[in-house]
Amino acid sequence: EAGVAQSPRYKIIEKRQSVAFWCNPISGHATLYWYQQILGQGPKLLIQFQNNGVVDDSQLPKDRFSAERLKGVDSTLKIQPAKLEDSAVYLCASRPQGGAGELFFGEGSRLTVL
Amino acid sequence: AQTVTQSQPEMSVQEAETVTLSCTYDTSENNYYLFWYKQPPSRQMILVIRQEAYKQQNATENRFSVNFQKAAKSFSLKISDSQLGDTAMYFCALNAGNNRKLIWGLGTSLAVNP
Repeated sequence: EAGVAQSPRYKIIEKRQSVAFWCNPISGHATLYWYQQILGQGPKLLIQFQNNGVVDDSQLPKDRFSAERLKGVDSTLKIQPAKLEDSAVYLCASRPQGGAGELFFGEGSRLTVL
Repeated sequence: AQTVTQSQPEMSVQEAETVTLSCTYDTSENNYYLFWYKQPPSRQMILVIRQEAYKQQNATENRFSVNFQKAAKSFSLKISDSQLGDTAMYFCALNAGNNRKLIWGLGTSLAVNP
């Protein structure tokens, strides 16, 4: 079974530029999460999708961040314009229906904003 | 409010020895799940072990075991026969309630020394 795929793994941009990250969850996982993890800290939930609907985006900075999951499968997270404080690893995770609620993570996309 | 507290930001252990990482939590739910995740440096977050609150027996996975004290709301992780590959950040997480939102601790950085 293939795991959660994310790309790109690394991205360096100047502040005020835009960036997009892509995530393909494990096949059949209806729930998809985007987390932001700043170095040395725990993951912070940005947005949670159930199929193609948003369940929780309360901590998503909507003035600059957007995310979509149009067909209920893969997802894109966009930042526009980027700020220095957006430098972080962006983790995508998915979860199967039911069960204990354990998440399966991708390798993450590391963003550096200069 | 649901919370997860990891009171040890950093720990170290000698190879082949045993180490215990602490985690306390708070929830008003009766049914919930607890997890320990491991995140090696620049690598993927993976699930180490999980515990269902309704099970009295402590979960074990090879060298990893938990001490689940439900009344005290404590969920510690014991790593036996520590190996260099155990060097990582360890996160305790709680899944409670219907929204399936994981509540994360701040993590404990574990260094296994040769």
